[in-house]
Amino acid sequence: EVQLVESGGGLIQPGGSLRLSCAASGLTFSSYWMHWVRQVPGKGPVWVSCINIDGSVTRYADSVRGRFTISRDNAKNTLYLQMNSLRAEDTAIYYCASPGIAVTGMSFDYWGQGTLVTVSS
Amino acid sequence: HSALTQPASVSGSPGQSITISCIGTSSDVGSFNYVSWYQQHPGKAPKLIIHDVNNRPSGVSNRFSGSKSDNTASLTISGLQAEDEADYYCTAYTSSASWVFGGGTKLTVL
Repeated sequence: EVQLVESGGGLIQPGGSLRLSCAASGLTFSSYWMHWVRQVPGKGPVWVSCINIDGSVTRYADSVRGRFTISRDNAKNTLYLQMNSLRAEDTAIYYCASPGIAVTGMSFDYWGQGTLVTVSS
Repeated sequence: HSALTQPASVSGSPGQSITISCIGTSSDVGSFNYVSWYQQHPGKAPKLIIHDVNNRPSGVSNRFSGSKSDNTASLTISGLQAEDEADYYCTAYTSSASWVFGGGTKLTVL
C-alpha cells in the first residue's frame, strides 16, 4: 500500500520560513517525479511544484517561484518543500502527491493526508 | 494559466446520470491528453478517479467515465449513488510544463 505522510506544517508569521517533509512508502520513490499541491479549504487544489527522479529538474508555480524550493532524498524516501518569505496567501493545506498508477505519470495518483500551513501574525 | 472552468454545482437523483464540464484552453486541455479527475469528500485528500482523459484506475467504479473534445473535458457519472456526493476537480497539464486545476464542482445527490 502506498503511503505519503506529510509533516512540518504549523502557524508561522508573515515573512517566516517553514520546511515541509513527505515520507513515502509502498512505492519505488526514486522512480517517480514528485509533486506538492496546496488547497485552501473550500477552494480547488493548486499545483505548487514538482521534482524529477534525481532532483536535477524542478518546476514551480509562478506564485511561489523564488520563495519555495523543492528537494528530495531518495535514500530516505522523503520529499521536501522549503518555504521562505511566507505570505498570508500561502495559507493552505499542503499535500504531496505522486504518480504510480497511470503509465504516463501525468496525474496525481497518490496523495498524502496533507499538512496545514497557516501564515498569520 | 488560469484555473480551468467547472460549474460550481450539479445535482441529480439516485440512478440518474450527470456530466461535469471542465473548460480550458488550447494551451492546456486542448494541447495534451493529460486530463485527470479527482473526487474529494469533506476532510479527505483528493482521490484519482480518471487519468489521461478516459482511463479509470483499478478499483474505481465503471460508473465514472471521462471524455474530451477540443478545449473541454467532461466527467460523467452514471447510476448516481449517495456515496458519489462529493467535490470533483479536473486538472490538466499545460504547455508551460505545469498543471492547472479546475475550481471544483459540488455534486449533490438528491
